[in-house]
Parts: sequence; C-alpha cells; structure tokens
Amino acid sequence: QVQLQESGPGLVKPSETLSLTCTVSGGSVSSGSYYWSWIRQPPGKGLEWIGYIYYSGSTNYNPSLKSRVTISVDTSKNQFSLKLSSVTAADTAVYYCARDRRVGFLDYWGQGTLVTVSS
Amino acid sequence: QSVLTQPPSVSGAPGQRVTISCTGSSSNIGAGYDVHWYQQLPGTAPKLLIYGNSNRPSGVPDRFSGSKSGTSASLAITGLQAEDEADYYCQSYDSSLSEVFGGGTKLTVL
Repeated sequence: QVQLQESGPGLVKPSETLSLTCTVSGGSVSSGSYYWSWIRQPPGKGLEWIGYIYYSGSTNYNPSLKSRVTISVDTSKNQFSLKLSSVTAADTAVYYCARDRRVGFLDYWGQGTLVTVSS
Repeated sequence: QSVLTQPPSVSGAPGQRVTISCTGSSSNIGAGYDVHWYQQLPGTAPKLLIYGNSNRPSGVPDRFSGSKSGTSASLAITGLQAEDEADYYCQSYDSSLSEVFGGGTKLTVL
C-alpha cells in the first residue's frame, strides 16, 4: 500500500520561503508510471493544484504560482519536495502531496500539513 | 473563481439520489480532457472517487457514478447514506497547461 507523508515547518514568516518534503513508502518515486504532485487547500476553501514532478526531474507548475514554486525529487531518499518563495498570508493552507497516475488523477494522498504564514 | 464550476451545496434525504454538476469550457472538459471526482470527509485528505469520467477505483461503492457530456460532467450518488456527507470536488486538465479543480460542493444528508 502506497503511503505519502508531508513534513516541514508549520509556521513561516511573510516574505520567506516555505519548504515541505513528501516521503513515499510502499512505492518508488523513480517509477516512470507516475507524477508526484503538490496540492493546497486554504482553510475553509477549495483545492488548488500547485504542480508536479517526474522522476527524471521534469516539472509542470500552476501558471499562477510558477514564478514562486520549485518542486524537486530525491530518488535516493524516495522523497520529493516543494519550495514556495516570498510567501504571504494568502499562502496559508493545508498542503497535500499526492501521486498522479500520469493520466490526470491523483490516486494516493498524504494526510496534509497545515502551514501558517505569520510573523 | 474556479475554472470548473460546481454548486456550493446540495442535499438529500437518506435513500435518495443526488447529482453534483461540474461545468467547464472548451479549454478543459469541452476539449476532451477527462474529469475525475474526489470525496473529502471532514478533517481528512481528499479520496479518489471516480477517474476517467466514469470509472470507480476498487473499494468505491457502485452507488457512486460519473458521466461527462460536452463541457460538463456529473457525479451521481444513489441510495444516499449519512456517511456520504462530505465535500466533493471535480478535477480536469486545462489547456493553460494546468490541472484544475472545481470549487467544491458540500453534500448534506438530511
């Protein structure tokens, strides 16, 4: 059974960089069958796709966040990571990592981690 | 404003049938991209409910079904149960090179 687990600071100061890591177990980020994605959900609001990475390192980002987002993969640790720069209060959200079956749907999700942007 | 439009809320009594619509445009659903549906129970991560417009993952009851026509898609739930009370999201791909979600629909079981 594939499991994903997000980790990282729960509090980030405005203008700083949010950094999260997703650790995958029961599956491999090196598999060519999947993309590895980040999605976020502001409190009380809907889902927003952030972007995904392929094991080769190729990426695709939400155009509205592209200038601030970097997703990377570490196949040796079976992890992938998210960096979001110049954060503001609007970036406060639960951040989820998920597996994308390369035909668009997300079949396994992490439990999510709340990141609050505040001084 | 979400690229895919869903009703904010729907409701139904136990045993009834409800449908949730997801309306897009010619740059996403209407362009032929598949629609997927997720169920989010309170305080939990979303769970894949329907993929590829009408396919159910293993373990999802056949009370849940999906369809797509033109620039819209629908999720139908028959034999409504109290445990179905949740938020439901549609998802597709947009030619802006982005995965997109609907704004979500809160299902209340009366």
